[in-house]
Amino acid sequence: GAVVSQHPSWVICKSGTSVKIECRSLDFQATTMFWYRQFPKQSLMLMATSNEGSKATYEQGVEKDKFLINHASLTLSTLTVTSAHPEDSSFYICSASSWDVLAKNIQYFGAGTRLSVL
Amino acid sequence: AQTVTQSQPEMSVQEAETVTLSCTYDTSESDYYLFWYKQPPSRQMILVIRQEAYKQQNATENRFSVNFQKAAKSFSLKISDSQLGDAAMYFCAYRSPNTGNQFYFGTGTSLTVIP
Repeated sequence: GAVVSQHPSWVICKSGTSVKIECRSLDFQATTMFWYRQFPKQSLMLMATSNEGSKATYEQGVEKDKFLINHASLTLSTLTVTSAHPEDSSFYICSASSWDVLAKNIQYFGAGTRLSVL
Repeated sequence: AQTVTQSQPEMSVQEAETVTLSCTYDTSESDYYLFWYKQPPSRQMILVIRQEAYKQQNATENRFSVNFQKAAKSFSLKISDSQLGDAAMYFCAYRSPNTGNQFYFGTGTSLTVIP
């Protein structure tokens, strides 16, 4: 399957700082990317869907000013957690797909980023 | 958002035996897709198997098969000849082409394989 690279794999930051997480599709053009949040031993919660060149669509209850998503190119989407606080500590996972691949119901996942806010 | 329910937080199976993981979902749509994903300790999500709702035939992938009961909104995963490498969290997921391509995941079942 296609490769999705997520960076960093683990980040520790101080409360009040902003953190950027990158999601890259290495061998295909990702027209759609999904961002998920996963709490320990819990399910993946969809945060937002981003289509290349468009504003992200956020799920209900997700603060768009808190979690800034940019999908400016077909190979890169970024999630910025602004003014991070300890309650933002979590595991963040991206997935990527293209229109034709998504039509086959396939999404390729990154390996996730563990965010720890002190 | 759609609701996907996995009623078994934890399951265990003896190596080489068969285990079935349960999943139910709530939808009013007739056209949708269902998936089972595996998340090993590495946290990398891996697609195990998928099923289109319009297909009556149950999907199979080697040792993995599903029992899709559309009327009952049930989608269970059967793992035959369980192997140690099957130990992981398993998530059931739902996708509708009518809701912006989102995938909705269940709460997961932690599978332990006993040697």
